Formats: sequence, C-alpha cells, structure tokens
Amino acid sequence: AQSVAQPEDQVNVAEGNPLTVKCTYSVSGNPYLFWYVQYPNRGLQFLLKYITGDNLVKGSYGFEAEFNKSQTSFHLKKPSALVSDSALYFCAVREPSGAGSYQLTFGKGTKLSVIP
Amino acid sequence: DAGVIQSPRHEVTEMGQEVTLRCKPISGHNSLFWYRQTMMRGLELLIYFNNNVPIDDSGMPEDRFSAKMPNASFSTLKIQPSEPRDSAVYFCASAALAGSWGTQYFGPGTRLTVL
Repeated sequence: AQSVAQPEDQVNVAEGNPLTVKCTYSVSGNPYLFWYVQYPNRGLQFLLKYITGDNLVKGSYGFEAEFNKSQTSFHLKKPSALVSDSALYFCAVREPSGAGSYQLTFGKGTKLSVIP
Repeated sequence: DAGVIQSPRHEVTEMGQEVTLRCKPISGHNSLFWYRQTMMRGLELLIYFNNNVPIDDSGMPEDRFSAKMPNASFSTLKIQPSEPRDSAVYFCASAALAGSWGTQYFGPGTRLTVL
C-alpha cells in the first residue's frame, strides 16, 4: 500500500529565507507525486506534480520540488519565503495503474509559518 | 471554469437531523472524491466515483453515511442521522481520468457543525 510521511508538523522560517517542507513516500513502482496548499478556511489548492522526467519540478507561486528516487523523497522548496506563504501544505502520492484508480494518499500536512 | 462548487458552505444542525451536502465537479471531469477534514484525523477519503460509479467506499465511517452521483455534474453526501462527531469540513474534489495524471481539484468545502 502507498503511504506518505511529512515528518514535521510545523516549519517556521523568516521572511526572505529559503524554505523546505519535507515529504517521503512509499509506493510500489514509479510514483506520481503532488503538493497541495491549504489557506485558512479554503479548499486544497494544487501547487505542482512530478510524473516523470526532470527531478526538479516548478509550480505555482515560485515553489519547486525535488524528486529523489534513492531517498524516496519529494521535498517542497522556495528560495525566498513570503509571509503570504504561511499555510498548511500537503504532500500526496499515487501509484500509476491501468485500472483507472486516481486515489491520492495524502500526508498529514505541515503548517508553514513565515515570520516577518 | 468555475471550479468545483459545493453547497452549502456552512451547515449547522442538531443531532439526529438529516444532512445533505452537494457537489458539482468541474465540467469534463469524470472522477469525483469526497473527503472529510478534522483536526484530530486530518484529511480522510470517504468515497470516490469514476464515471458516476462508486469505486471505493471503504472510507465511509458508518451506514449513516451515503453518497450518490446520479449524473456527471452532481453528487451528494448524506448523513442520516447526524451526530456531533460528524462535525468536520467536508471537501469534494474532481479529476479527469485522462490527461492530468490524476490531479485533483478541490472545492471550497462545507463546514458542518452538529449540535
């Protein structure tokens, strides 16, 4: 069965500093990996995904994520954090399958706080 | 596109009452998911449909919960009778079965409070 771990419940970073939100996964076969962001009282919003190809994926709002197959990780990064990046971030994984199952397994989420 | 639409946005009801949550997926999407989010348990998948057919309802907590998708543009999640422990934010998400690699797009959620 597929699983996702986000080892940090909360990450604090100063505005302007680089940020990293960690994610590791477990899946049989090659994974499809996703990052979502949730602002207060809003639904989850898609940020970026890795399917295949270049290990560095760029997404919305200046975020990027690096896929590392040997470490089974997919960490979310941004070179310079903004106060407006403060939110809850979810990593998700899906096993590619031919059966049409598009179920995502989500991590528990990491709360990012960017301090002015 | 208007995105995934959910109604109502907020629902307050008393224990024992029937609650119906509604979802309109993104036009052209043929996979639909219902999730529940609480502080204690995080984000839980309740049920999902492909082409209006329920595929996996193993996340539905009890027989009090039921979901239907009568057509490609509408789904409901019903709780009957409701209990205080059902209080949560319920999200609907939709995805296209081809071309987007399973990217799910979420609605704004329905915040349910059962007194």
